[in-house]
Amino acid sequence: DIRMTQSPASLSASLGETVNIECLASEDIYSDLAWYQQKPGKSPQLLIYNANSLQNGVPSRFSGSGSGTQYSLKINSLQSEDVATYFCQQYNNYPYTFGAGTKLELK
Amino acid sequence: QVTLKESGPGILQPSQTLSLTCSFSGFSLSTSGICVSWIRQPSGKGLEWLATICWEDSKGYNPSLKNRLTISKDTSNNQAFLKITSVDTADTAIYYCALDYGGWFAYWGQGTLVTVSS
Repeated sequence: DIRMTQSPASLSASLGETVNIECLASEDIYSDLAWYQQKPGKSPQLLIYNANSLQNGVPSRFSGSGSGTQYSLKINSLQSEDVATYFCQQYNNYPYTFGAGTKLELK
Repeated sequence: QVTLKESGPGILQPSQTLSLTCSFSGFSLSTSGICVSWIRQPSGKGLEWLATICWEDSKGYNPSLKNRLTISKDTSNNQAFLKITSVDTADTAIYYCALDYGGWFAYWGQGTLVTVSS
């Protein structure tokens, strides 16, 4: 199985700040990576697919980058509605696997 | 508009078989490239992919569940199904179905809570 190591596990940031979340795959996943946002009591929502493609309707302050084994999610100008847990997911090979999540809070 | 909704028994006892249904609209599981996946999430924990079924009836399973899973579909009624045999308390979780375009999950259902308890 491909292991997805996500960091940090938790993060506290101020409104307007830029936030970066990292995901490291245990082998090359050829940009087959998605990012999701999950708010408490809600289903996950797709933000980014193919490492850097923004899902329709997602604000442009969210962006993804990376290749090979290293990927990142960037949130520019943090808003209060961005408080959530973020997960990465690889789909290069079965079994699809997720990172453990990053809980983002406001400082 | 794409929607998905999961349904299940709510509570069941250890060793029983869990049967889940995903009813969806806004897409067809007979359309080329379309798949439906099942993912679960124990309370307060992370996400675990369970299984995927695609338009041409190909299937993928998470081997960590050791052959306990069976995924199927009813294309004419816009439904997908998941069975998990021999459940135990570790199977207690919220179960989601999702529209899978190419490995990423573009739309998710609201989830159904399944509790395994004696």
